[in-house]
Parts: sequence; C-alpha cells; structure tokens
Amino acid sequence: AQKVTQAQTEISVVEKEDVTLDCVYETRDTTYYLFWYKQPPSGELVFLIRRNSFDEQIEISGRYSWNFQKSTSSFNFTITASQVVDSAVYFCALRDSWGKFQFGAGTQVVVTP
Amino acid sequence: EPEVTQTPSHQVTQMGQEVILRCVPISNHLYFYWYRQILGQKVEFLVSFYNNEISEKSEIFDDQFSVERPDGSNFTLKIRSTKLEDSAMYFCASEPGQDPYEQYFGPGTRLTVT
Repeated sequence: AQKVTQAQTEISVVEKEDVTLDCVYETRDTTYYLFWYKQPPSGELVFLIRRNSFDEQIEISGRYSWNFQKSTSSFNFTITASQVVDSAVYFCALRDSWGKFQFGAGTQVVVTP
Repeated sequence: EPEVTQTPSHQVTQMGQEVILRCVPISNHLYFYWYRQILGQKVEFLVSFYNNEISEKSEIFDDQFSVERPDGSNFTLKIRSTKLEDSAMYFCASEPGQDPYEQYFGPGTRLTVT
C-alpha cells in the first residue's frame, strides 16, 4: 500500500523567509513518481513538479527547490525568499507506474507581509 | 496556451439523481484523471484513464462511478445515484504521457448534493 505523509499542517512565515515543506512516502514499488501541487485560496490545482523514482537529486527552479532522497523516502520542497503570493496549500503525491495516486493531507503555508 | 476545461462549474442535484461531469482534456494528451476534494480536505484520486480504458482506480471509485471518453475529446465522470457525501469539488486533469510529464488541471466542478 502507498502512503504519503505531510506532517506539517500549517506553516506561517514572514515574507522573505524560507519555507521547507516535508513529505515522506511509503511504497513497495520500485518505479514510482512523486509530485508537488499548489492550491491557492482561489481553489485551482497547480502542478509544480514531477520526479521519477530513479531521478534522485536536488533541483532548483527559481525560488523553488526540491530534495528527493530515496534513502529517507523523502521529497521535500523549499520556497526561498517567500512572498505573499506563495500562500496556499501544498500537496505532495505519489503515483505508481499504473497511474494510481496517493495524496498527502497538505500543508497550509501562510506568508504575511 | 492549451487548457483543460470542465463543465458545469457548479452542479446542484438531489440525492439519488444521476450526474455527469464533463471535461475536455488537452487534445494531444494521453492520460486522463478524475480527482475529488471534499471541502477543507485533501485531494483524493478517483481514477486514471489511458488508451480508452481505466488504468487505475481508487477504493472510492465504486460501482456508482463510471468514466467515458465518448467522442475522443470529452472525458466524463458519471455518478449514478448521488449521495450527500458525494458533495465535493471534482477536478479533471490530463497529461501528455511523455517528457515533460506535466499535469494540467481543469478549474473543477463543485457538486452539491441536497
């Protein structure tokens, strides 16, 4: 069975602070895919990134960075120099090779000016 | 820029009625999904669809649910006999099936069962 744990329910920061969101997953599959999604207050779901199980690395894209480590089954997400527009719920998700998803409970990020 | 569309944006129905939620995925995409989000809760995977058949479904996707791609463009989710607990936001998504594996989401349909 697959499981995704986002232990942080809410993180509050002041603008320009860095925010790291934790995601720990469980799966027996050797091939799987990890995702991060953003859901702003307006409600739409925005895809941020997908990583394959064999693509372990740290990646940086603008103010976002991701740290995928199979040894600890973690796929953490960092927002550098946070902005008010980053306020949203962030979901981590795991997909098996057949297309079945398991989402984490989400982490609410609140960025205040 | 291509986008996934969903209709209607809001559907109100009485318990026991059938509803059909419609989605138009991006035209050259190969994978299609339905997700559900009960208000204030996490996103739940319902079903994935590839090559005109269901590739995976969750425990939520029981016999009262069905999906179809009737005409090569629309992708529908049918709930045969709605229950109060089916009230949620339903999101459709599509994916090209090749690099970059970006998922595109529709804006969602809010289903209210009374």
